[in-house]
This record gives sequence, structure tokens and C-alpha cells, in this order.
Amino acid sequence: AQKVTQAQTEISVVEKEDVTLDCVYETRDTTYYLFWYKQPPSGELVFLIRRNSFDEQNEISGRYSWNFQKSTSSFNFTITASQVVDSAVYFCALSSTGTASKLTFGTGTRLQVTL
Amino acid sequence: NAGVMQNPRHLVRRRGQEARLRCSPMKGHSHVYWYRQLPEEGLKFMVYLQKENIIDESGMPKERFSAEFPKEGPSILRIQQVVRGDSAAYFCASSSLTGMTGELFFGEGSRLTVL
Repeated sequence: AQKVTQAQTEISVVEKEDVTLDCVYETRDTTYYLFWYKQPPSGELVFLIRRNSFDEQNEISGRYSWNFQKSTSSFNFTITASQVVDSAVYFCALSSTGTASKLTFGTGTRLQVTL
Repeated sequence: NAGVMQNPRHLVRRRGQEARLRCSPMKGHSHVYWYRQLPEEGLKFMVYLQKENIIDESGMPKERFSAEFPKEGPSILRIQQVVRGDSAAYFCASSSLTGMTGELFFGEGSRLTVL
């Protein structure tokens, strides 16, 4: 069975601080995909990144960066110089090839960025 | 390019009534997924459909819930004789790829409240 754990329920930071959201996953599959989604207060889900299990290179996109470590089954997400607009719930998710995009989501981390 | 369209965005039902939630996938997508998000929880997979076929319904409750994706028209998630525990946000997602994991595009969700 697959499992995604986001141990941080809620994080509060002051604007311009860096913040890292943790994600630990469990799967028996050798090929799998990891995702991060953002859910702002308006409720929709916004896709942020997809990473396959063979690609352990870290990725940076503007203020966002992701650290994938297969050895520790982690796929952490860092926001540099956080802004109020980053306030949202962030979900980490996992799927395996062959499961037709069926995602297993973590319970989410609520990030609150204040002035 | 219209995204995944869900309606209604908000639905209120009394216990025992029926709820119908609709989802129109992105243009060109023939794969539809329904997920449920209970309050303060992550999304949980319910069902995966292609046109006129249910591919995977392993996440669907055994009773009262059904889903379809007809040849013409939107996908429909139907909940009969709703109970308070059905109150949740129901998200639809679509993709254009089979087998391997393609990117899922989510709608804005339909929020069901059962009184």
C-alpha cells in the first residue's frame, strides 16, 4: 500500500522567511511519481511539480525548490523569501505508473505567511 | 482553453436527498477521476472513468455512490440518500494519458453540505 506523510499540520512564518514543507512517502513500487499541489483559500488545486523516481536531481523554479531523496523517501518543498500570497494548504502526493494517475495524497500542510 | 469545469460549486442537501455533481473534463481529455476531500483532510481517490467505462472504483463507498461518464456530456457523481458524513469537497480531475502517469488537471471542486 502507498502512503504519504506530511507531519507538519500547520506552519506560520513571517514574510521573507524561508520555509520547508516535509513529505515522506512509502511505496513498494520501483517506478513512481511524486507531486506537490497548492490549495489556496479559494479552494482549487494548483499543480506545482511532478517528479519521477528515476530523477533525483533537485529542481528550482523561482522561489520554489524541491529536494528529492530516495534514500530517505522524502520529497521536501522549500519556499524562499515567502510572501503572503504563498499562504495556502500544500499537498504532497504519490502515484505509480500503471495506476493511471491515481494519486495518494498526504493530509496537507497549512502555511500561513504574515506581514 | 477552458479547464476542468465542475458544477455546482456549492450544493446544500437535506439528509435523504440526492446529490448530483457534474464534471466536464478539459478539451481533448478522455480520462476523468473523482476525489473526495473531507474537512481538514487530504484528497482521497474515489473512481477513475473513461468514456462509458468505469476503470477503477476501488475508492467508492459500496452503497449510495455511483459515477458515470457517458459518451456525450459531463461525468456525473451521484450520491443517493445523502447523510451528514457525505459533506465534503468533491474534486474532479482529467488527463489525456493512459497507463503511465500523466498530469492531472483538477477542477475547482464542488462543496456538498448535508444538513
